[in-house]
Amino acid sequence: QKEVEQNSGPLSVPEGAIASLNCTYSDRGSQSFFWYRQYSGKSPELIMFIYSNGDKEDGRFTAQLNKASQYVSLLIRDSQPSDSATYLCAVNWGTNAGKSTFGDGTTLTVKP
Amino acid sequence: DAGVIQSPRHEVTEMGQEVTLRCKPISGHDYLFWYRQTMMRGLELLIYFNNNVPIDDSGMPEDRFSAKMPNASFSTLKIQPSEPRDSAVYFCASSSSDRNTEAFFGQGTRLTVV
Repeated sequence: QKEVEQNSGPLSVPEGAIASLNCTYSDRGSQSFFWYRQYSGKSPELIMFIYSNGDKEDGRFTAQLNKASQYVSLLIRDSQPSDSATYLCAVNWGTNAGKSTFGDGTTLTVKP
Repeated sequence: DAGVIQSPRHEVTEMGQEVTLRCKPISGHDYLFWYRQTMMRGLELLIYFNNNVPIDDSGMPEDRFSAKMPNASFSTLKIQPSEPRDSAVYFCASSSSDRNTEAFFGQGTRLTVV
């Protein structure tokens, strides 16, 4: 079992819909959680990070964390075709975004 | 700042040859990370440095891989000898301990070993 699991997808949603991306992790000691977006052929870029249980909102993006269930999710509201990418969930012990264990990613396609 | 700069962007080499990948982190960043991305294994952390010192190299797959950071503005990842299974995209990333909630990735080096 991988340390960080994501639905591989592909996930397809219509433009304007809510896209929900899920991630589970195995290490209960994990402290910080990151979501990266990676366009095809490009490098990962950080979208959001979350440390505390609950929701964290940033524009159209909401990260949700439930440490008891070892579950973290990313919601994208009003999805746009430009959101079509692979979304990587990353988990680590501390707070340094670089020292992370990554999931395999979920590929999202937003159809116009 | 120009961001994290990696070179070359693409590298094709024959099995058995030595390959050197290069990275220039963002100025002022004190952490540097080397990652490898493949379809089979995803994005894996190979090694990271703090203030030019290697801190954790547990992700380095085998002794054929080595990494150095001779100064704050330059790092190399060397594979000697290279094998076809080393074919992957290698990313370098950097971050600052003053703002360690974000790591910035370079554009990557796509390595093909034939």
